[in-house]
Amino acid sequence: KAGVTQTPRYLIKTRGQQVTLSCSPISGHRSVSWYQQTPGQGLQFLFEYFSETQRNKGNFPGRFSGRQFSNSRSEMNVSTLELGDSALYLCASSHYITSGGFGSYNEQFFGPGTRLTVL
Amino acid sequence: QKEVEQDPGPLSVPEGAIVSLNCTYSNSAFQYFMWYRQYSRKGPELLMYTYSSGNKEDGRFTAQVDKSSKYISLFIRDSQPSDSATYLCAMSAWEETSGSRLTFGEGTQLTVNP
Repeated sequence: KAGVTQTPRYLIKTRGQQVTLSCSPISGHRSVSWYQQTPGQGLQFLFEYFSETQRNKGNFPGRFSGRQFSNSRSEMNVSTLELGDSALYLCASSHYITSGGFGSYNEQFFGPGTRLTVL
Repeated sequence: QKEVEQDPGPLSVPEGAIVSLNCTYSNSAFQYFMWYRQYSRKGPELLMYTYSSGNKEDGRFTAQVDKSSKYISLFIRDSQPSDSATYLCAMSAWEETSGSRLTFGEGTQLTVNP
């Protein structure tokens, strides 16, 4: 079974530009989450999509947005790039769970990430 | 203050040593506790998952959760150079309206020297 794929793997942009990153989840997974990883902050949750709807959102400004398509593929967009947006952007896919409790944890499978550098 | 605190290291040990990695957290709603391993230029991969309190063992790896102290640990026995990676603790809580999302520690960079 193919893993989570992310494109592009590396990206260099300048301040003020916008960027779109793409994520293809594992076949059969319908939930896609995005994370930002930086040396000082670690991994921070951006948002989660299920069935083309944003189900959960982290504490990031509105410049960060995303969407999910009917085939579960997802894109995230960052507008008006700032130097501080330089990071590794990770996408994770999982099955969707409908309740908590023992045994309900849904493992998130991560892609290799997109390394974004803002100059 | 961060919800999850993890010593970023770096931690350097000789081959065969026992490694102890730890995280503390403040959110008492966390129910699921995970340890991820991340190699350079790769995404994190799940090592261990524990629900609520207790211990879990998988080969050379043991995960412990103490919810009363809000403290989790990962022990690596007989450490190998191939264990050299960044280890991330992660936690989540199920919420009816928003499902679950992972909150990560900063990660501890481990090097096992031959």
